[in-house]
Amino acid sequence: DTGVSQDPRHKITKRGQNVTFRCDPISEHNRLYWYRQTLGQGPEFLTYFQNEAQLEKSRLLSDRFSAERPKGSFSTLEIQRTEQGDSAMYLCASSLDRTGQSPLHFGNGTRLTVT
Amino acid sequence: QKEVEQDPGPLSVPEGAIVSLNCTYSNSAFQYFMWYRQYSRKGPELLMYTYSSGNKEDGRFTAQVDKSSKYISLFIRDSQPSDSATYLCAMSAMRFGAGTRLTVKP
Repeated sequence: DTGVSQDPRHKITKRGQNVTFRCDPISEHNRLYWYRQTLGQGPEFLTYFQNEAQLEKSRLLSDRFSAERPKGSFSTLEIQRTEQGDSAMYLCASSLDRTGQSPLHFGNGTRLTVT
Repeated sequence: QKEVEQDPGPLSVPEGAIVSLNCTYSNSAFQYFMWYRQYSRKGPELLMYTYSSGNKEDGRFTAQVDKSSKYISLFIRDSQPSDSATYLCAMSAMRFGAGTRLTVKP
């Protein structure tokens, strides 16, 4: 399967713990996006990378959140000191894009539950 | 006012019905419009991608864009139970609607 893959699919953690998610984009795609999605809502943009450079971060991305994309390949999203409000589906998407207008290819997400 | 407004439904129709899904937007800078379909516990998948006013057809799906009214629509003809999903409009990679949950009953 050459689509976008995310790991793990599910994560249950206790409040205050740190968690890290991984996203492997489609190999030739230069852009990688992270989103958060809660029940009944559309994906909320968190941040995106063009190759290894993080070009934009949403105001939703508090200082407890950090994302990296070393060498412009896979990406990780870390949440420190998790809170119950962080419980959501975290989606990753990639695109082959130079203009910001190309369609996105999504992974199936990591569902985070903070107890 | 949100930049993208989408009626969350839920919408329930009988098999074979024509379904109309709609979004409005406020930012006239949006030039590209996308519809994604999301099945339960899955990531969204691209259905339609348009960048001009008018209609674009792909099989049973038609996307319609009216830039003067800042209004986009997705029509599904001969709806099938397999079309039951949440449909998301997107005006860019950073602006998604809330999604409309559709159920097509056999």
